[in-house]
Amino acid sequence: KAGVTQTPRYLIKTRGQQVTLSCSPISGHRSVSWYQQTPGQGLQFLFEYFSETQRNKGNFPGRFSGRQFSNSRSEMNVSTLELGDSALYLCASSLEPLGTSGGYNEQFFGPGTRLTVL
Amino acid sequence: DQQVKQNSPSLSVQEGRISILNCDYTNSMFDYFLWYKKYPAEGPTFLISISSIKDKNEDGRFTVFLNKSAKHLSLHIVPSQPGDSAVYFCAASPINTDKLIFGTGTRLQVFP
Repeated sequence: KAGVTQTPRYLIKTRGQQVTLSCSPISGHRSVSWYQQTPGQGLQFLFEYFSETQRNKGNFPGRFSGRQFSNSRSEMNVSTLELGDSALYLCASSLEPLGTSGGYNEQFFGPGTRLTVL
Repeated sequence: DQQVKQNSPSLSVQEGRISILNCDYTNSMFDYFLWYKKYPAEGPTFLISISSIKDKNEDGRFTVFLNKSAKHLSLHIVPSQPGDSAVYFCAASPINTDKLIFGTGTRLQVFP
C-alpha cells in the first residue's frame, strides 16, 4: 500500500507570492492533517480535514488555508508569503479523525514539502 | 505557549545502554500521548502511544511511562541501537479533538 505522498518536495518562493501544496493520503484514509515544522517551534498543527470539511484549526493566520476533495486528497494554500513561512510542511493521514472511536487513530506522515521563502 | 515541552534538545547514548527521552505537558485535558521518530528528509513515524488512563505501555524495546500527577512522560529505549539515532517528538491529543500538539523534539544519537 502506497504511503502518504506530498508534492512538490521542495519549493522556493519570494515574499508576497502564494503557494499551493498537495497531499495524497493513504488509500482508504479519510482524514488529513497538516503540520508546520520549524527548528524553533517543532511541529505545529495547522488544520485537519475529514469528508471535505475542516474539523479543527490551529493558531495560524488566515493566510493559511486548505481544502479536501471528494477523493480525500488535500491541498494547503499560503497567500502573501512571509520569510517566516519557510518551513517543512507535513501532511498526515488517518482512517478516521483522531478524536473518534473513543481512541486514537494512528496518523501516517508524508515526507513533507520544504518551502523556502526568499 | 508551549503546552508540550521537550527540554533536552539532544541526547547522546552508547549502544546497548538505555535511552530516556523526557516530555512535560501543561494541559491536564490531554487523553492520549504519543511518541514519533523522525529521520532527516522523512516524515515522522509513529512509535508508541499511551492513554491517559494508563501509566505504562510497552512495545518491544520501547516503553512509555506516564506520570499524570507530575504531567510528565518518558520514552525508554532498551537496548539502544545506532539505528535509533533520530529526532524524537512527543505529542499529546486533547480530549475530543482531532489535533496533536507536538513538542520541539529531542535529537538522539546512539554511538557504538
